[in-house]
Amino acid sequence: EAQVTQNPRYLITVTGKKLTVTCSQNMNHEYMSWYRQDPGLGLRQIYYSMNVEVTDKGDVPEGYKVSRKEKRNFPLILESPSPNQTSLYFCASSLTGAGANVLTFGAGSRLTVL
Amino acid sequence: GENVEQHPSTLSVQEGDSAVIKCTYSDSASNYFPWYKQELGKRPQLIIDIRSNVGEKKDQRIAVTLNKTAKHFSLHITETQPEDSAVYFCAAVINTGNQFYFGTGTSLTVIP
Repeated sequence: EAQVTQNPRYLITVTGKKLTVTCSQNMNHEYMSWYRQDPGLGLRQIYYSMNVEVTDKGDVPEGYKVSRKEKRNFPLILESPSPNQTSLYFCASSLTGAGANVLTFGAGSRLTVL
Repeated sequence: GENVEQHPSTLSVQEGDSAVIKCTYSDSASNYFPWYKQELGKRPQLIIDIRSNVGEKKDQRIAVTLNKTAKHFSLHITETQPEDSAVYFCAAVINTGNQFYFGTGTSLTVIP
């Protein structure tokens, strides 16, 4: 089944403890991106990647890192999480660049930073 | 960068009535405008999209209109049903970039 898989789906952590949210897609998509969803703010793009080893900042990249070493994987790294990073995170992918094809979203990862 | 505003933030309609959600954007270089539906606890899913070379697009009960001059686009849902209840997001994509700019969402409730 074609899908975008995120893990973990739920995570409670403490301030400063490094964590990684994994994202994997099995559709051979070139474009992958990360979003955070907060009440009243909608979806805001954190980072995106056009292809392997190519990543760019979105609207809200501060406090996050990403890597794209393989086409299928696009992990989101929080080196030193803070409470303001408590949010619902979505990974998404599409065949080529934004606007060219439909974005397919993962199921979401709810992160709480205490 | 682009700025997308979406209104209203909440909308309640009676079953069978129409619902309209409006979005405005700021950057005239935006050329792709998708709409996503997010049911409670689920992931966003594309329901319809429109490109800047088209003024209107329909898919059964759903339609999107685009006014490039005024920089606004709208989602129209006719003959609403309870299963249309969800949060709807509009988005704009600039043709030279790869960033999605989403609106803040509209929570639609269809009252049976």
